[in-house]
Amino acid sequence: DQQVKQNSPSLSVQEGRISILNCDYTNSMFDYFLWYKKYPAEGPTFLISISSIKDKNEDGRFTVFLNKSAKHLSLHIVPSQPGDSAVYFCAASAGGGFNKFYFGSGTKLNVKP
Amino acid sequence: GAVVSQHPSWVICKSGTSVKIECRSLDFQATTMFWYRQFPKQSLMLMATSNEGSKATYEQGVEKDKFLINHASLTLSTLTVTSAHPEDSSFYICSSNRGREQYFGPGTRLTVT
Repeated sequence: DQQVKQNSPSLSVQEGRISILNCDYTNSMFDYFLWYKKYPAEGPTFLISISSIKDKNEDGRFTVFLNKSAKHLSLHIVPSQPGDSAVYFCAASAGGGFNKFYFGSGTKLNVKP
Repeated sequence: GAVVSQHPSWVICKSGTSVKIECRSLDFQATTMFWYRQFPKQSLMLMATSNEGSKATYEQGVEKDKFLINHASLTLSTLTVTSAHPEDSSFYICSSNRGREQYFGPGTRLTVT
């Protein structure tokens, strides 16, 4: 049973517009969340994190929103750039992030020039 | 960020042989490392948690006798795929926590013929 779900396998966005990637989780014990970016045949690269004590974390063009009651988080990329085209994974962990992470299935983002 | 390396980056082996994949933390000590596998267009699936100086903890459904994990030092964990079969062909990725963030290796592409 997948505890972290990304229901959109792909997303296409025009350059300069906002990209919104969504992630849902089922385990209420999860209290730390990460977003990763991955290119084919490479390991994931850390993008941004959020703890359950917050509902928003921002880092440059990337903002992660957390809605604990809905068990939902989203990653906003503004403005989107062609170099952002990759697969994005969300991951969740219990124990404050010092434990193993469970990954969603990924969303492939394509930013069109 | 922290650096995690993997060796080899790709390997082709014959069915029935064993393959060893190394994961190294290059600039920090890792008491815990994680092993994932990823099938094409699918999520990262956590296989096991490798603990330095003790036995690995395997996720449900992962055969511990087939996927042998050894974590003999604070900078090295190895995954040995024993008696490999074509269905073991996959992309294997290791990671390690540094603080709350997980840093991933570049992955190893295993092809079993």
